[in-house]
Amino acid sequence: DTAVSQTPKYLVTQMGNDKSIKCEQNLGHDTMYWYKQDSKKFLKIMFSYNNKELIINETVPNRFSPKSPDKAHLNLHINSLELGDSAVYFCASRKGSTDTQYFGPGTRLTVL
Amino acid sequence: AQSVTQLGSHVSVSEGALVLLRCNYSSSVPPYLFWYVQYPNQGLQLLLKYTSAATLVKGINGFEAEFKKSETSFHLTKPSAHMSDAAEYFCAVSEGDGSRLTFGEGTQLTVNP
Repeated sequence: DTAVSQTPKYLVTQMGNDKSIKCEQNLGHDTMYWYKQDSKKFLKIMFSYNNKELIINETVPNRFSPKSPDKAHLNLHINSLELGDSAVYFCASRKGSTDTQYFGPGTRLTVL
Repeated sequence: AQSVTQLGSHVSVSEGALVLLRCNYSSSVPPYLFWYVQYPNQGLQLLLKYTSAATLVKGINGFEAEFKKSETSFHLTKPSAHMSDAAEYFCAVSEGDGSRLTFGEGTQLTVNP
C-alpha cells in the first residue's frame, strides 16, 4: 500500500490555466505538507496543515491555495499558472508526536 | 533561523570506495538533522536522522552519519559505494520536533564502475 500518494504524477498545461494536485496519506498522520522542488533540485516548504488547520504558510504567491478536506488529504490548487511555477511538487506527512516526514512520489508540473 | 549547507553539489566515487557527503548546519536551538535520498524521478526517502540521542547514527543501506556539535556538522558516510547508491542526497535540519524542515541544496552522487 502506498503511504503518501499524489495525483497526477505529470501535469502539462498552458500559462494562465488553473490546476489542482491531490495528495492522500493512509498513515493516520495529522500533519501534511507541500514542498516545491525547482529545476536545480532545491526543496522549499510551501505550506503545512495540522488537523485541517493551516500552520505554516511561507511566502508563496496567493495564486497557490491549499485545501485540506480532512486529515488524510491535502490538495494544492494553483490559479493563473505562470512559467515559473514549473517544478516538482512534493506532498509529505508526519505524525504530530514524531519527527519524520514521509514524502510522496511528486508531481511534475510543466507550464508552457 | 536554521540553514543547511552541503559542500559539493556533485560527488563522484568509484564502486567500492568510501562515500563522504558533507553537511553543515546552523540552528539557534539544538537541532534535529536528517539525510534523505532521492532516486531519479522518485520522492524522498529517509536514510537516517539525529534527534539528540546517540551522536553516531546508523541508517538504511549501510549509511551512517555523525553529529558533531563543535563543528556544526552532520556528514554522511558509507564505507563501500555500490552502483545502486547513485542518487541525489539531501541534508535537512529542523529546530526541535521536525515540524519544519529546511533542506540543503543537495549532492548528486555518481558511482563509477
